[in-house]
Amino acid sequence: SQTIHQWPATLVQPVGSPLSLECTVEGTSNPNLYWYRQAAGRGLQLLFYSVGIGQISSEVPQNLSASRPQDRQFILSSKKLLLSDSGFYLCAWSVGPWGSYNEQFFGPGTRLTVL
Amino acid sequence: QKEVEQNSGPLSVPEGAIASLNCTYSDRVSQSFFWYRQYSGKSPELIMSIYSNGDKEDGRFTAQLNKASQYVSLLIRDSQPSDSATYLCAVRRRDDKIIFGKGTRLHILP
Repeated sequence: SQTIHQWPATLVQPVGSPLSLECTVEGTSNPNLYWYRQAAGRGLQLLFYSVGIGQISSEVPQNLSASRPQDRQFILSSKKLLLSDSGFYLCAWSVGPWGSYNEQFFGPGTRLTVL
Repeated sequence: QKEVEQNSGPLSVPEGAIASLNCTYSDRVSQSFFWYRQYSGKSPELIMSIYSNGDKEDGRFTAQLNKASQYVSLLIRDSQPSDSATYLCAVRRRDDKIIFGKGTRLHILP
């Protein structure tokens, strides 16, 4: 069965510090991968998605970036965190061709607090 | 008009009763619809997906879709305290992106 891991589970970082969040998927090949952010009182916001190694699409211009160095690894980064970057960061995966009726499954998430 | 709209709640339902959660969407071309359950502090968990008009049942859950009215709902029969959570409606747009509503908080009263 498929499993998705995220780490760390929680993170407290000062403003201006760098960020690296990692997501890995097991039990499937060539998944579509997604990064979402859920801020307090707001819905899930899609940040990035990837349909393959090295292929990244950005949804929202901001100080975050994403990379996919391996088929089942997705990394979210920032060079300098802002207060507004605080939130619950969720990695998700789906399988099947982009545009199919594929369902998305979420990892456990990383709760980031920027002070 | 928001792309996916849900009443934020809280919706309070007595234990054993039917909980009815509603969602409307703006993109008429949308073809795929999903319901997620999210417990406080946890990540969303997919509980139902529906693609065709009508009802789809899975255990105590029934998803209902009416594309003409751009309306999707989730019914939970025999509500249990463990059903207390936030329920997110999600819709796949014509560009294949999935858009989430802000969720409805459901509280089952023991």
